[in-house]
Amino acid sequence: KQEVTQIPAALSVPEGENLVLNCSFTDSAIYNLQWFRQDPGKGLTSLLLIQSSQREQTSGRLNASLDKSSGRSTLYIAASQPGDSATYLCAVRPSSNYQLIWGAGTKLIIKP
Amino acid sequence: SAVISQKPSRDICQRGTSLTIQCQVDSQVTMMFWYRQQPGQSLTLIATANQGSEATYESGFVIDKFPISRPNLTFSTLTVSNMSPEDSSIYLCSVVPVRDTEAFFGQGTRLTVV
Repeated sequence: KQEVTQIPAALSVPEGENLVLNCSFTDSAIYNLQWFRQDPGKGLTSLLLIQSSQREQTSGRLNASLDKSSGRSTLYIAASQPGDSATYLCAVRPSSNYQLIWGAGTKLIIKP
Repeated sequence: SAVISQKPSRDICQRGTSLTIQCQVDSQVTMMFWYRQQPGQSLTLIATANQGSEATYESGFVIDKFPISRPNLTFSTLTVSNMSPEDSSIYLCSVVPVRDTEAFFGQGTRLTVV
């Protein structure tokens, strides 16, 4: 059974720092992995999608990597800003179906 | 990509009543899902909305409590029936567009039952 873990559960850093959020999964048979952002009480915004054949994806200050063999993905945020404060969720889509398996999220606070 | 309109964005309801949440997508999608997110928790899949047939429910969720309709490839509704305070959550619609592999989400419905 696929399980997804996100570390740390919460992170508070000063503005301007580069930071890394971690996501690990137990079964390497994945179709893709997505990183989402969720603001309090709101829906989810897709940040980056990495297909199983890819190693990384970049969008602006965000870079996500995927190491399928070790069951790990990282989300790198460069030059963090207070507007980056949100909960970041990692979700894995298994090879066998469309359902997403979710991590519990990392709550990020960027202090001005 | 897909643009999803989910309504209502929030509601406060009396216990024992029902609320229907709508999810409208701007393009045809392969898959539509309904999730629940309880306070401080991650997402839990309620069901997969199947076009023209009964939804596929996950363990712990039943059709009598969460009836779902999906009359076409761009629209679905979720009803939360006979509500109790324990149903207070954010309910989210998610889609996977045709010829795409990325999942997209609506802005969610924040439900409070009093």
